[in-house]
Amino acid sequence: DIQMTQSPSSLSASVGDRVTITCRASQGISNYLAWYQQKPGKVPKLLIYAASTLQSGVPSRFSGSGSGTDFTLTISSLQPEDVATYFCQKYNSAPWTFGQGTKVEIK
Amino acid sequence: QVQLVESGGGVVQPGGSLRLSCAASGFTFSSYGMHWVRQTPGKGLEWVAFIRYDGSNKYYADSVKGRFTISRDNSKNTLYLQMNSLRAEDTAVYYCAKDQWPKALDYWGQGTLVTVSS
Repeated sequence: DIQMTQSPSSLSASVGDRVTITCRASQGISNYLAWYQQKPGKVPKLLIYAASTLQSGVPSRFSGSGSGTDFTLTISSLQPEDVATYFCQKYNSAPWTFGQGTKVEIK
Repeated sequence: QVQLVESGGGVVQPGGSLRLSCAASGFTFSSYGMHWVRQTPGKGLEWVAFIRYDGSNKYYADSVKGRFTISRDNSKNTLYLQMNSLRAEDTAVYYCAKDQWPKALDYWGQGTLVTVSS
């Protein structure tokens, strides 16, 4: 099975900072990569699909890139409401594996 | 609007069984594949199972294969997860989620907590 590895596992940044989270697949998955945001006590929310397409209603400060095995989620200017754990997920075929998550906090 | 409402969670002893349900509304349920995803308290997300829109194909995580069964009743707009031979490590919040290929999982329910403990 393809493994999904996220880094870092957690980060702390200041409001306005640019934040980058990476996700690596152990084998190529083309662009079948999604990013989810889970705020404390809340349900996961789809942010980005097809590696770089923003889900409707997601602020434009979020962006995604990558293809094959290496992917990136970027928050261009971190806001207090972005405090959350972010998960990547492959969805090209079963199993639909998630990364272990990256917890983002405000410094 | 899309709504997914899970039910059926609770406390069960190791080796026991439980059936979860997910009532769907706000979309044409019979046209979409559906997933179960679980989350151990304070931990990450683990994909559990998927069923195609018509029930023709089902897929499972290795950790639940042979113990859990995903099914659906399109006449009732309801997704199910039958969980047998439950173990302590199955303790988690279980979410149902709609598959919007090729957009991944676009809607999630609020989840139902399953606790396996003696």
